[in-house]
Amino acid sequence: NAGVMQNPRHLVRRRGQEARLRCSPMKGHSHVYWYRQLPEEGLKFMVYLQKENIIDESGMPKERFSAEFPKEGPSILRIQQVVRGDSAAYFCASSPVRVEQYFGPGTRLTVL
Amino acid sequence: AQTVTQSQPEMSVQEAETVTLSCTYDTSENNYYLFWYKQPPSRQMILVIRQEAYKQQNATENRFSVNFQKAAKSFSLKISDSQLGDTAMYFCAFMKQNTDKLIFGTGTRLQVFP
Repeated sequence: NAGVMQNPRHLVRRRGQEARLRCSPMKGHSHVYWYRQLPEEGLKFMVYLQKENIIDESGMPKERFSAEFPKEGPSILRIQQVVRGDSAAYFCASSPVRVEQYFGPGTRLTVL
Repeated sequence: AQTVTQSQPEMSVQEAETVTLSCTYDTSENNYYLFWYKQPPSRQMILVIRQEAYKQQNATENRFSVNFQKAAKSFSLKISDSQLGDTAMYFCAFMKQNTDKLIFGTGTRLQVFP
């Protein structure tokens, strides 16, 4: 059983560009979570999704950030018009029945 | 709001020795979960151990065990017979029941020396 897959592992964008981060949950998992880790800090919750539904987006910045988990395909975290402060590692986690979350390897976003 | 505090930014231990990492948390909830995650240099987050607040018995997973003190809101991790592969950042995390949102501490960097 493959683990949580995230791609790309590393993403470089210039200020003002868009970043799209993908997450494929483990087989059988219908709950997906996104977290952000700034340098030398712990992970901060961003959003919790189930198929085609956003359940909790209390940690998402109000502007430029969006997330989706379509019926088919991976979950996408989209950051529009990136700024240097968006540079971070973005982790996706999935869960079959809530509580235990299994993390992917993360995407390290660098904004030039 | 819940908070998680890890007061030890860095720890070191010699191979085969025992080390304890501290974690305290603040909550008014009675039902919740506590976790320890390991983040090695690869940056992959790996679940080490989990504790349900309603369970009085401390969780154990092989060389890893916790000391859960609910009244004191303390959740320390003990690593016995430390191995070089235990070198990593260790994060303590809290989850309120029925929320699915993990709240992490700032981490403790553990170095195991030969």
